[in-house]
Amino acid sequence: DQQVKQNSPSLSVQEGRISILNCDYTNSMFDYFLWYKKYPAEGPTFLISISSIKDKNEDGRFTVFLNKSAKHLSLHIVPSQPGDSAVYFCAAGGEETSGSRLTFGEGTQLTVNP
Amino acid sequence: EAGVVQSPRYKIIEKKQPVAFWCNPISGHNTLYWYRQNLGQGPELLIRYENEEAVDDSQLPKDRFSAERLKGVDSTLKIQPAELGDSAVYLCASSSRKGVWYQETQYFGPGTRLLVL
Repeated sequence: DQQVKQNSPSLSVQEGRISILNCDYTNSMFDYFLWYKKYPAEGPTFLISISSIKDKNEDGRFTVFLNKSAKHLSLHIVPSQPGDSAVYFCAAGGEETSGSRLTFGEGTQLTVNP
Repeated sequence: EAGVVQSPRYKIIEKKQPVAFWCNPISGHNTLYWYRQNLGQGPELLIRYENEEAVDDSQLPKDRFSAERLKGVDSTLKIQPAELGDSAVYLCASSSRKGVWYQETQYFGPGTRLLVL
């Protein structure tokens, strides 16, 4: 039962353009969502998060949008840079869903071409 | 500030052999997590410690996996005996409680890549 799903295993964009990574979830008890970035041979690093009381959170070039009715979130990166090339994981959790246990999606490999 | 340290970085063993992974969390972090990441998948939680206490081990296969966090600092995850399906990256993460759980950013180590032949 995949409660958090990233349907696109890969995405390729040109430098300077917008990257949009998508994530869907099924558990309506999730109330907090995060994005992690992972470079090869490194552990995931926290990027940005959003709680269910908001529909948008912005941090520099990164913006996360949450559509609760559709159980969908997306990460926008603009402008995209070659250094953004990495695997991006979305994760979700909630106090009612086993405390601080995060459920991760499968990841999307983003490639930003110079 | 040093990040989460894990060793070894790579391990190749034959099936039925034992294996152990070590994790040293960020200094002062009271919460420690062990995750398993299979190829093409996201990390899955195996066990979470609050100081010395395992507060969430429901996803740890207890017939062959064990973990300990003596003195509430570093931790060891053991598999005995290893099976072919245990080949994966084992990630350790730590966090510091700031009140509500979602304010605890988890900091991950580089992981141990295990290959069972």
